[in-house]
Amino acid sequence: QQPVQSPQAVILREGEDAVINCSSSKALYSVHWYRQKHGEAPVFLMILLKGGEQKGHDKISASFNEKKQQSSLYLTASQLSYSGTYFCGTGTFGNEKLTFGTGTRLTIIP
Amino acid sequence: DTAVSQTPKYLVTQMGNDKSIKCEQNLGHDTMYWYKQDSKKFLKIMFSYNNKELIINETVPNRFSPKSPDKAHLNLHINSLELGDSAVYFCASAKREANTEAFFGQGTRLTVV
Repeated sequence: QQPVQSPQAVILREGEDAVINCSSSKALYSVHWYRQKHGEAPVFLMILLKGGEQKGHDKISASFNEKKQQSSLYLTASQLSYSGTYFCGTGTFGNEKLTFGTGTRLTIIP
Repeated sequence: DTAVSQTPKYLVTQMGNDKSIKCEQNLGHDTMYWYKQDSKKFLKIMFSYNNKELIINETVPNRFSPKSPDKAHLNLHINSLELGDSAVYFCASAKREANTEAFFGQGTRLTVV
């Protein structure tokens, strides 16, 4: 079953912050985050492995709560280039069953 | 060099036809996937292969048959195409280890008319 993401869509002005959530009904070992721009393939952002782990680069970071089977992606001071659809991907012990969430469409306006 | 390449990029065909989409990766990955992305943008896993062995078949109709001649290739053959098969199909590959990313091909937009 696909992980569920929320919100489904969000519109922000440049410079505002956003949080995208990902929840799974199954126990998780890893969480991936990808961004897909219109007409393109999904592109990797980051992977989180351990419960409670947080990662980030530049103004995009993420957390992973293993016990709650949830992950959140944080986008700070959003830029126009952040627009796209964000997917979380969840895996078991390996990447053999990499299943993606329902997606969140993020639109950044000037 | 393209890491994951799939062909063709666009495919328009009539209902009832049989078509194939090819995928090749030059990253030395063990795991390859096919995903279907419909008009609602859901990215649904169809098949997962590890070292040419089928790992996942996510309730995909029998008309879809993946073939992996070696671990660098995973092709998708579709028989008796239906209107509902219209979608973008993505091939992807990854190492088996969980702490590594997946790489996607550019996608094949299939339109059944």
